Amino acid sequence: GESVGLHLPTLSVQEGDNSIINCAYSNSASDYFIWYKQESGKGPQFIIDIRSNMDKRQGQRVTVLLNKTVKHLSLQIAATQPGDSAVYFCADSGTGNTPLVFGKGTRLSVIA
Amino acid sequence: DAGITQSPRHKVTETGTPVTLRCHQTENHRYMYWYRQDPGHGLRLIHYSYGVKDTDKGEVSDGYSVSRSKTEDFLLTLESATSSQTSVYFCATRGDRKGYTFGSGTRLTVV
Repeated sequence: GESVGLHLPTLSVQEGDNSIINCAYSNSASDYFIWYKQESGKGPQFIIDIRSNMDKRQGQRVTVLLNKTVKHLSLQIAATQPGDSAVYFCADSGTGNTPLVFGKGTRLSVIA
Repeated sequence: DAGITQSPRHKVTETGTPVTLRCHQTENHRYMYWYRQDPGHGLRLIHYSYGVKDTDKGEVSDGYSVSRSKTEDFLLTLESATSSQTSVYFCATRGDRKGYTFGSGTRLTVV
């Protein structure tokens, strides 16, 4: 089956710095990608999504970049705050109504 | 999370016993999913449902069965629990967009 992976399992950043979390996917036909945030003891929460016909999408302090040529997407968090400490997952929707496939996650730790 | 309730939140059971986890949604979403989450594996799909009585297997379906007799409820059953099924189980629903909304999870320990 298709796989979604992450380049780094852990990331530590200073408070106020920008964070970049990377993700590689393998299904070149995938048309929709999502980033989730999971805090300890909670279920994953939607952060931002992007469709395959876009290269970039911005939200509040977050930006997702999609590079279809190399099948890579990234999540950028501006001015990282302690509340951003969590595990971040990328997810790949494939095509049609196929279920989401999740990456293994990156743990972001914010150093005050 | 609003609209999705998982029960129980925690359960300890013995090897070989049957266990049923419940997911209840109030969003009237057609699609519902069961994932398990284990260290080093992220979230892996067990089973999903695309309508009442319509279900399909996911990546790690062995040892699990599901039932969906009405839109709001999706049950996950471990017919004979094994220690390898110790995990955190998440239910999710899918609305109009393709993103999912997750429940708070059930932590299951099989001893």
